[in-house]
Amino acid sequence: GAVVSQHPSWVICKSGTSVKIECRSLDFQATTMFWYRQFPKQSLMLMATSNEGSKATYEQGVEKDKFLINHASLTLSTLTVTSAHPEDSSFYICSARARDVSYNEQFFGPGTRLTVL
Amino acid sequence: RKEVEQDPGPFNVPEGATVAFNCTYSNSASQSFFWYRQDCRKEPKLLMSVYSSGNEDGRFTAQLNRASQYISLLIRDSKLSDSATYLCVVTRGGNKLTFGTGTQLKVEL
Repeated sequence: GAVVSQHPSWVICKSGTSVKIECRSLDFQATTMFWYRQFPKQSLMLMATSNEGSKATYEQGVEKDKFLINHASLTLSTLTVTSAHPEDSSFYICSARARDVSYNEQFFGPGTRLTVL
Repeated sequence: RKEVEQDPGPFNVPEGATVAFNCTYSNSASQSFFWYRQDCRKEPKLLMSVYSSGNEDGRFTAQLNRASQYISLLIRDSKLSDSATYLCVVTRGGNKLTFGTGTQLKVEL
């Protein structure tokens, strides 16, 4: 199956710093990538939809100036958590939808666990 | 009301047991339905799509009842390796997946 990687796997940072998370589709081109966040014992919540070459579409309640998304190529999307605070600590997961399929399957990255001290 | 509701469990069952999970969704416009599996601290992985006609994949059977807005997953002859959280997922068209909070399954010796 299609492979999606995320980097880093985990990160611990101080409050106020910015953290960049990369999501790559390794063996397919992804016109659309999605960023999710999952707090402990909660469901994955879609944060934003990222389309290659255009601005991301954010879900209601997600601050676009705090969570910067860049989808510069068909295989890479980045999420930058700016001025991170302890409440941003979460499991961030990306997914990618292949360019040339008609069904809805999304391939998920392994996730990035962010801890803000 | 949450868009996708699941009993969080945990369901503790002995190896070899048959176990069923249910899920309800609130939006009648939902179009596609899936079961995902998520292991602890890992990403979700697609287990199977769900169709009104019902579909089976080995020990796993999924069923959709559009009239009742209800989805089920049946696992037969459960294995220790089936221990995970099972996520009910729906889409309203387009690409957006809406996840339930998941049902935790623990299969024991």
